[in-house]
Amino acid sequence: QKEVEQDPGPLSVPEGAIVSLNCTYSNSAFQYFMWYRQYSRKGPELLMYTYSSGNKEDGRFTAQVDKSSKYISLFIRDSQPSDSATYLCAMSFWGGADGLTFGKGTHLIIQP
Amino acid sequence: GAVVSQHPSRVICKSGTSVKIECRSLDFQATTMFWYRQFPKKSLMLMATSNEGSKATYEQGVEKDKFLINHASLTLSTLTVTSAHPEDSSFYICSAPTTSGRNYNEQFFGPGTRLTVL
Repeated sequence: QKEVEQDPGPLSVPEGAIVSLNCTYSNSAFQYFMWYRQYSRKGPELLMYTYSSGNKEDGRFTAQVDKSSKYISLFIRDSQPSDSATYLCAMSFWGGADGLTFGKGTHLIIQP
Repeated sequence: GAVVSQHPSRVICKSGTSVKIECRSLDFQATTMFWYRQFPKKSLMLMATSNEGSKATYEQGVEKDKFLINHASLTLSTLTVTSAHPEDSSFYICSAPTTSGRNYNEQFFGPGTRLTVL
């Protein structure tokens, strides 16, 4: 069983739609949860960083963490074609002090 | 946010040669940096943790004699792929966590280095 599961997609939605991305994980010791956006052949860009369970909102992005279910989500409101990219969930035990465990990434396509 | 750079962005080399990749934190100091590898359509896999002033810590299955890591200063870590072979062809990415400010403890990634071994 893989540590972090993420549907690779592709996920195609029309412009303006609400996008829901999610990951499940098996190791309950993870405490820090992140979402990164990666464009083709580029390094990942940090979108959201959360600690433990709860919600966090930043502009059009909302991250949710449910540690009891080992389930994390990223919501994108008012999606734009420029949001088309691969979205990677990542998690760690000690925040910046240890390396991250990534999901496989979901390829998102926003249709104009 | 914090900025991490990598050099070179792309390298093509012959089998058997060694390749050095640099990772720099441009506007912050990083006592720890991380090296990842990403194969096409696969996720990033942690290879090793680079520690300033001490030996790197390698993940299980990563050959430390193959992938030499040197963290010479608080802003620079290097990864040397020794005697590279075609199976080492991959996208290598480094990251560094910040230790102050709004983004405390968040990891920022470099743009990556694409290595192709012929």
